[in-house]
Amino acid sequence: SQQGEEDPQALSIQEGENATMNCSYKTSINNLQWYRQNSGRGLVHLILIRSNEREKHSGRLRVTLDTSKKSSSLLITASRAADTASYFCATDAQGGSEKLVFGKGTKLTVNP
Amino acid sequence: GAVVSQHPSRVICKSGTSVKIECRSLDFQATTMFWYRQFPKQSLMLMATSNEGSKATYEQGVEKDKFLINHASLTLSTLTVTSAHPEDSSFYICSASQYEQYFGPGTRLTVT
Repeated sequence: SQQGEEDPQALSIQEGENATMNCSYKTSINNLQWYRQNSGRGLVHLILIRSNEREKHSGRLRVTLDTSKKSSSLLITASRAADTASYFCATDAQGGSEKLVFGKGTKLTVNP
Repeated sequence: GAVVSQHPSRVICKSGTSVKIECRSLDFQATTMFWYRQFPKQSLMLMATSNEGSKATYEQGVEKDKFLINHASLTLSTLTVTSAHPEDSSFYICSASQYEQYFGPGTRLTVT
């Protein structure tokens, strides 16, 4: 069963604005990852945050993790039209399983 | 980074026929590969875990006799959709695991 839930389901912003997407999950995790998917394409790995980390940065991306609330957020700063895509969080389960459970995703549209 | 390919990228088949999709890890060996299914505007759902040299492990609700998985080598896993029906039309994505999962570009299956 899916345990990741993203909100909002869809987000439309103007170029230059920041985009924030949230993800909640239900069980304890080792890691949480964010992926990007352009329409009809495969997944691109963006960033991984471990359960003992609270914040991580990569370029214009900032990810936070709150394990007490079982939630994570992905912030894209200074968005560009090329950032238009669907963004998914994925969690693994504690216990060494390699399985990933994906959230429903947020469809981000950045208008030029 | 590690590269995973899928073949074909798109396939159209008639109802009742079988279709084979290949997933290859191009520059690393993967003892474990995963097969996901994605319906339009939805998230990825794990179908099965493919282990080299052993039987695949299917997720609940996935028909093993319909979705045949063969992981014949450390770089190749195949998914065969047998006796395909229009409701099997979907986007199928594989991933190969080497410390983390690397995703293929996906295969769009349309059953007419």
